[in-house]
Amino acid sequence: QSALTQPASVSGSPGQSITISCTGTSSDVGGYNYVSWYQQHPGKAPKLMISDVTNRPSGVSNRFSGSKSGNTASLTISGLQAEDEADYYCSSYTSSSTWVFGGGTKLTVL
Amino acid sequence: QVQLVESGGGVVQPGRSLRLSCAASGFTFSSYGMHWVRQAPGKGLEWVAIIWYDGSKKYYADSVKGRFTISRDNSKNTLYLQMNSLRAEDTAVYYCTRDVNWNLAYWGQGTLVTVSS
Repeated sequence: QSALTQPASVSGSPGQSITISCTGTSSDVGGYNYVSWYQQHPGKAPKLMISDVTNRPSGVSNRFSGSKSGNTASLTISGLQAEDEADYYCSSYTSSSTWVFGGGTKLTVL
Repeated sequence: QVQLVESGGGVVQPGRSLRLSCAASGFTFSSYGMHWVRQAPGKGLEWVAIIWYDGSKKYYADSVKGRFTISRDNSKNTLYLQMNSLRAEDTAVYYCTRDVNWNLAYWGQGTLVTVSS
């Protein structure tokens, strides 16, 4: 159950787009379309932003989008806003019927 | 709306036990799988365990297997996590979450467990 690999930090200016990668293996990210992304502001509970690789839950801005290629999933945030500054985590279902998270990425809006 | 309220956290000595509870409301609890996820201070999220909607299947992270037990009482709309043989590295905020098609769709606010002598 090794954690998925995410960059520790990314940054961008307001209005720009950024992409956060999430790399796993064929036993998790590459093997299933059950990759999700979570946003967490300091002191708050995580919030689901993307489910099933590409789906946006009701109420989530369409500035957030997800994709996957092979063993790597990605979260793209377009039109960056100050409120997007937060930690982001990816997660995947695994072949062991367990779940695994990425180490998290701190997004800074410059 | 969906509400998940965790309780039972606190300070406990290494080697002792603690039971967490998660009271669910705003949805048909008996229809959904439920997870526990934890977050050590200043660290990332770690998945802990899942229990099927009817309690028939349970899966655990290797780090807690054999020490933690997830359970549920559908008549009380409550999820539990029995934690035995606690270690310092179990110190974390513990969240209960509701599964929706293998995604952790709804989260409680968490309860802090501190393992320290």
